[in-house]
Amino acid sequence: DAGVTQSPTHLIKTRGQHVTLRCSPISGHKSVSWYQQVLGQGPQFIFQYYEKEERGRGNFPDRFSARQFPNYSSELNVNALLLGDSALYLCATRDRVETQYFGPGTRLLVL
Amino acid sequence: DQQVKQNSPSLSVQEGRISILNCDYTNSMFDYFLWYKKYPAEGPTFLISISSIKDKNEDGRFTVFLNKSAKHLSLHIVPSQPGDSAVYFCAALPGGGADGLTFGKGTHLIIQP
Repeated sequence: DAGVTQSPTHLIKTRGQHVTLRCSPISGHKSVSWYQQVLGQGPQFIFQYYEKEERGRGNFPDRFSARQFPNYSSELNVNALLLGDSALYLCATRDRVETQYFGPGTRLLVL
Repeated sequence: DQQVKQNSPSLSVQEGRISILNCDYTNSMFDYFLWYKKYPAEGPTFLISISSIKDKNEDGRFTVFLNKSAKHLSLHIVPSQPGDSAVYFCAALPGGGADGLTFGKGTHLIIQP
């Protein structure tokens, strides 16, 4: 079975641009969460979606948005990129509350 | 204000011995605790979890202990193997699960031959 997949693997953008990151969950998993990890820190929670509805949101500005599609895949959008948005963006899916499986991440560099 | 703390940035252990990774938390509302292992340029790999109503969970070489009164948990790896060298993250999940995981900063485990 395929694990969580994310695209693209790497991305370089300039300040002020917009970016869209994509995630496909493990088959059968209906919940998708997004995390941001900056160097030297643990991942920080951005959003959780379940059955196409936002179920939780972390402490991130409105420039960050997401959505989930009928096939349970998800997109994370970030507008008006700042240098500080440079990070590894991780997607996680789960079938039970107590387990979350992460994808390989998308590394975003903002210049 | 860090709700999940891993106070040891790094830990060095000899191959074959026991590795003990520690984690402290401040929020009594956490329902589950999870441990992840992360290699560079990869996403975190789920290792083991424990419910707040239990004090021990075991899976192969990995055992997690939870001390609720001390708000402390630990991951034991026995025996330690070279492939265990990685960054280990402790994470906690509040009741309902809608708020996502809260992670510590990680501990870099180095297994020496």
